[in-house]
Amino acid sequence: DAGITQSPRHKVTETGTPVTLRCHQTENHRYMYWYRQDPGHGLRLIHYSYGVKDTDKGEVSDGYSVSRSKTEDFLLTLESATSSQTSVYFCASSGPPPRDYGYTFGSGTRLTVV
Amino acid sequence: AQSVAQPEDQVNVAEGNPLTVKCTYSVSGNPYLFWYVQYPNRGLQFLLKYITGDNLVKGSYGFEAEFNKSQTSFHLKKPSALVSDSALYFCAVRDGGNAGNMLTFGGGTRLMVKP
Repeated sequence: DAGITQSPRHKVTETGTPVTLRCHQTENHRYMYWYRQDPGHGLRLIHYSYGVKDTDKGEVSDGYSVSRSKTEDFLLTLESATSSQTSVYFCASSGPPPRDYGYTFGSGTRLTVV
Repeated sequence: AQSVAQPEDQVNVAEGNPLTVKCTYSVSGNPYLFWYVQYPNRGLQFLLKYITGDNLVKGSYGFEAEFNKSQTSFHLKKPSALVSDSALYFCAVRDGGNAGNMLTFGGGTRLMVKP
């Protein structure tokens, strides 16, 4: 997990509250990603970024927004948390194509919405 | 669209026996294939990849995987399993023409190696 730090590692929040998860990378990678991990679903892409202030939606983006003001930081915001957003969230980064070395992952944030 | 299937939720094997974790994929272009491993309360760690070249790819911790284009498979193998190999394994694919370098992951297979 070297090179990517996620915070917080664990969070419990109430339904309806906004929540921001933080991802910081020291790899100088251009691409960054937010995934959620749920049993039986593997990892599903929420949002990704291909550069500062350049972001796009993944397959499960509803209820989430992201921001990237610096190369090293990628924030994921749950606008109004719901119980269905209880999950483990992973941030990842990678270099631009054609450097196909896969991703570097953070250790994850376990979010519980009560 | 690209997709990955890992048909087994769990694979059980005795220590010292060979193991196989199955993966099949679907992409419209050339497949770039990856295996990752996840230990409890940790992020995913890279094991190996296939981009081009030899169909048999060797990776970390003695793991290898065989790319089979006709069967669209990329099964993970190890000749002799260790108890410490017990973890969650993910197969991932991306289309070689995918400019966003986005990986699509399978649902994961839990490997249990018993002493």
